[in-house]
Amino acid sequence: QSILTQPPSVSEAPRQRVAISCSGSSSNVGNNAVNWYRQFPGKAPKLVIFYNDLLPSGVSDRFSGSKSGTSAFLAISGIQSEDEAYYYCAAWDDIVNGWVFGGGTRLTVL
Amino acid sequence: QITLKESGPTLVTPTQTLTLTCTFSGFSLTTSGVGVNWIRQPPGKALEWLALIYWDDDKRYSPSLKSRLTIAKDTSKNQVVLAMTKMDPVDTATYYCAHEDNSSSSGVDVWGPGTTVTVYS
Repeated sequence: QSILTQPPSVSEAPRQRVAISCSGSSSNVGNNAVNWYRQFPGKAPKLVIFYNDLLPSGVSDRFSGSKSGTSAFLAISGIQSEDEAYYYCAAWDDIVNGWVFGGGTRLTVL
Repeated sequence: QITLKESGPTLVTPTQTLTLTCTFSGFSLTTSGVGVNWIRQPPGKALEWLALIYWDDDKRYSPSLKSRLTIAKDTSKNQVVLAMTKMDPVDTATYYCAHEDNSSSSGVDVWGPGTTVTVYS
């Protein structure tokens, strides 16, 4: 059972926009920055959004992030088949005194 | 360019102690704000944070695993070691080490490729 809650799966047609939610609490998402990672099967996670809404160098600007209260969101616009992957959110937790992750969301491009 | 790589046994038997080594380059664990994390992922499951060591030797552990974990650094070798005692089949997972830098606010940003550990009874 992950501390941060994500939908298990989302799906959308190519060239559309999809948003993935990440729900937490005041000790994590509500009070600290959120990162988002993309993971392909058998590969290590890769950072796609940091500090809620910042784009790492080299990451497509089709990715964007936002946060409101104890929820964060990852949006991907102009979806492509190459975006099919698992997406995880993460945040520092002041009670755990460490990092907590969401359960992951599988993105399927229809 | 920051890189990390995990190494250690691929197979352990129950009750054994697992020792994993993270060898990194492109940064120093003597630089203020820098840390190295260990994170694992059981097959088909989510990521789980295990431990973190900072440049100043401050250490953090997952509360649920704290009694079984020890993290240490060797700055001369650019390595971080994680020991996990009393291994059980439920500890079968891919174990990742990952860099973080508080000064850049990027959190956990660069990951190693991971090493798969199977606990076989």
